[in-house]
Amino acid sequence: NAGVMQNPRHLVRRRGQEARLRCSPMKGHSHVYWYRQLPEEGLKFMVYLQKENIIDESGMPKERFSAEFPKEGPSILRIQQVVRGDSAAYFCASSPLGLPTDEQFFGPGTRLTVL
Amino acid sequence: AQSVAQPEDQVNVAEGNPLTVKCTYSVSGNPYLFWYVQYPNRGLQFLLKYITGDNLVKGSYGFEAEFNKSQTSFHLKKPSALVSDSALYFCAVRENQAGTALIFGKGTTLSVSS
Repeated sequence: NAGVMQNPRHLVRRRGQEARLRCSPMKGHSHVYWYRQLPEEGLKFMVYLQKENIIDESGMPKERFSAEFPKEGPSILRIQQVVRGDSAAYFCASSPLGLPTDEQFFGPGTRLTVL
Repeated sequence: AQSVAQPEDQVNVAEGNPLTVKCTYSVSGNPYLFWYVQYPNRGLQFLLKYITGDNLVKGSYGFEAEFNKSQTSFHLKKPSALVSDSALYFCAVRENQAGTALIFGKGTTLSVSS
């Protein structure tokens, strides 16, 4: 059973470009969470999605960031007009039922560097 | 508001000695508590969790954690450290409410010397 897949693993963008990060949850998992890890900091929650629905986006910046989890295909975190402060590791996690007792299974992350 | 504190940025222990990585939390209601480990350039791996019941929770790789409600703590422990345990450890809390995300501490770097 493959784990959570994220691609690309490394992404370099220039200021003003768009970044698209993809996440395929574990087989059978329909709940996806995105986190951002800035240098020297812990993970910060960004958004929680279920298939075709955004459940909680309270951690998402109001501008330039969006997320989706379509019926078919991976979840996408999209960052428009990237700035240097967006440089971070972005982790996706999935869980089977979205219960508060579920552990979340994390992908290897996408390391975004904005030049 | 929920929060997690890991008071030590780094813990250094010698191989074979016991180790403790500290975590305290603040949450309204009953907490669900988790420990994760992160190796360099990798994602987080689940170690153990406390949901209810026995205050001593056993997890992967010989780790255990003790839930202390009065002290609002959930310290991670291991009786005998290995060099391969060297990594970044995160404590996380979640409220008893479906859909709420994990709130992570800033992490503690564990360094085990041979």
